[in-house]
Amino acid sequence: DTEVTQTPKHLVMGMTNKKSLKCEQHMGHRAMYWYKQKAKKPPELMFVYSYEKLSINESVPSRFSPECPNSSLLNLHLHALQPEDSALYLCASSPLPPNEAFFGQGTRLTVV
Amino acid sequence: ELKVEQNPLFLSMQEGKNYTIYCNYSTTSDRLYWYRQDPGKSLESLFVLLSNGAVKQEGRLMASLDTKARLSTLHITAAVHDLSATYFCAVDIWGGGADGLTFGKGTHLIIQP
Repeated sequence: DTEVTQTPKHLVMGMTNKKSLKCEQHMGHRAMYWYKQKAKKPPELMFVYSYEKLSINESVPSRFSPECPNSSLLNLHLHALQPEDSALYLCASSPLPPNEAFFGQGTRLTVV
Repeated sequence: ELKVEQNPLFLSMQEGKNYTIYCNYSTTSDRLYWYRQDPGKSLESLFVLLSNGAVKQEGRLMASLDTKARLSTLHITAAVHDLSATYFCAVDIWGGGADGLTFGKGTHLIIQP
């Protein structure tokens, strides 16, 4: 199984809503990542978890809150987002040391 | 700060032609990846290059890595319309911990019949 599964695929939320994005992998990878991709731009790293511990936070606003409940799951909790946060959110996983990153299908988020 | 530069950023070519996309990066690394992205889709892994001199081929695509020059190339041979997509190179620096990928800006490739 070389899949990274993200849910939901699409999400529309208001600026006062709280929602969560979910990511799951069963490849035994011990690193998991969140990336944000705006239209016609490359993915940008948001967070890195290594061995279920947050190891990198790329100066992401606190309205984005990551969580890694176990080695297979990664969540991204969203609260009080702004319209400019609308983007494709990609989850990825890799072994450690990383020799390849596997990406999920992404969640297309629209903030209204 | 790691910088990854791709060129060209946009490429329109005819079927049957050959072309090369270049990826330069600013910091020593021997871990470079090529991804393909179709409109509205996620990233599809094409090649993983993990050592100097690595060369990999899949169909009409061939990728190589020169860590001394900090340069990777993605060569397209006899292009076909189905290869139209955006291609990203990405670099990973392993410093004892997972640092994530730094991507180039991408090359938007259009192959016309």
